[in-house]
Amino acid sequence: GAVVSQHPSWVICKSGTSVKIECRSLDFQATTMFWYRQFPKQSLMLMATSNEGSKATYEQGVEKDKFLINHASLTLSTLTVTSAHPEDSSFYICSASYRRGTYNEQFFGPGTRLTVL
Amino acid sequence: QQQVKQSPQSLIVQKGGISIINCAYENTAFDYFPWYQQFPGKGPALLIAIRPDVSEKKEGRFTISFNKSAKQFSLHIMDSQPGDSATYFCAASPYNTDKLIFGTGTRLQVFP
Repeated sequence: GAVVSQHPSWVICKSGTSVKIECRSLDFQATTMFWYRQFPKQSLMLMATSNEGSKATYEQGVEKDKFLINHASLTLSTLTVTSAHPEDSSFYICSASYRRGTYNEQFFGPGTRLTVL
Repeated sequence: QQQVKQSPQSLIVQKGGISIINCAYENTAFDYFPWYQQFPGKGPALLIAIRPDVSEKKEGRFTISFNKSAKQFSLHIMDSQPGDSATYFCAASPYNTDKLIFGTGTRLQVFP
């Protein structure tokens, strides 16, 4: 249980184009999903918190207009990188909160490697 | 300031040995401390987690030790195996949120 998928697993795009990444909780409903980015050999940096049916909450320094997040249902959140540039190349990982007993735990997707040429 | 410091940055252990990774936090407003294991090109996988009301939790070869007064917690991997070679991240979650603040990561290599 508590499986999270991401699609695509990797994507290469030209500078200036937009890229959409999907995050799905496969066997549970997630009221809250999170988006992270990770540079090579570095830690995960939280970009935003996504709640179903409401606007995402972005971390300080993350451009809302560049990284559009939509959480349309309890099992799907999407991240769109708009007008992507080479510096946006990174590993993007989503996670979803899963209720276990009295606490929520985060389960992560396999990640999406974005390369912007 | 919400921060989690992790050490060492890298660790080399012989097969069968004990791997120990340490984390420390500054803010006392955390109530959940998970450890994640990440293989190259994959997302992190939850390994084991602890709440501040207990000082130790063991699951198989993995043990978390938690010292609330020192604001420190550590991961012990007993009988380390080559398959344990991965990057390990500690994390902390502030009260009443599901957010996670990650440590900087430890790259573990277990040699046969």
